[in-house]
Amino acid sequence: AQRVTQPEKLLSVFKGAPVELKCNYSYSGSPELFWYVQYSRQRLQLLLRHISRESIKGFTADLNKGETSFHLKKPFAQEEDSAMYYCALTSGANSKLTFGKGITLSVRP
Amino acid sequence: ETGVTQSPTHLIKTRGQQVTLRCSSQSGHNTVSWYQQALGQGPQFIFQYYREEENGRGNFPPRFSGLQFPNYSSELNVNALELDDSALYLCASSLAGASGNEQFFGPGTRLTVL
Repeated sequence: AQRVTQPEKLLSVFKGAPVELKCNYSYSGSPELFWYVQYSRQRLQLLLRHISRESIKGFTADLNKGETSFHLKKPFAQEEDSAMYYCALTSGANSKLTFGKGITLSVRP
Repeated sequence: ETGVTQSPTHLIKTRGQQVTLRCSSQSGHNTVSWYQQALGQGPQFIFQYYREEENGRGNFPPRFSGLQFPNYSSELNVNALELDDSALYLCASSLAGASGNEQFFGPGTRLTVL
């Protein structure tokens, strides 16, 4: 069975501090991993996906198959990064997304 | 390009009633997925429709059913509503076969069951 675990519910940091949002997954095959973000009063939107290996808004995430993790990192947090972040996986094309419970990131000035 | 839209924005029902939620997919998309998001939880997959056929279903009872129309819009129907059905219902559209497997979400319908 597919499962995504986000062990923390809330992370509060000061502006300029590093951020790491943890995500662990369980899946027997080769999943695709994503981070979705929901800013206040906005819809859920894709932040980044592991297959793209890109940096979006300064965020990066590396898939570690040995540790089955896909942690989201940013070296210097900004106030506009405050949002709800969800880690998700899918087993393949046109497939359902399995989400974690999400974590609230609060960046204080 | 028109994004995913959902209606209504919110509604209130009582136990035992039936409800229909609607979703218009993003222009050019042929696949619609529905998710239930309870308070404090991540979205949970209900089912997906592709070319008007159900194409995968999560762990939801048969009283949750759906439709997809030729224009790729979709409906989610829930019969015999229960208190635990109170949640935000999200619709997401995607294009089967497109690279990246990205799903685009609508704003959601907030359902309250009293």
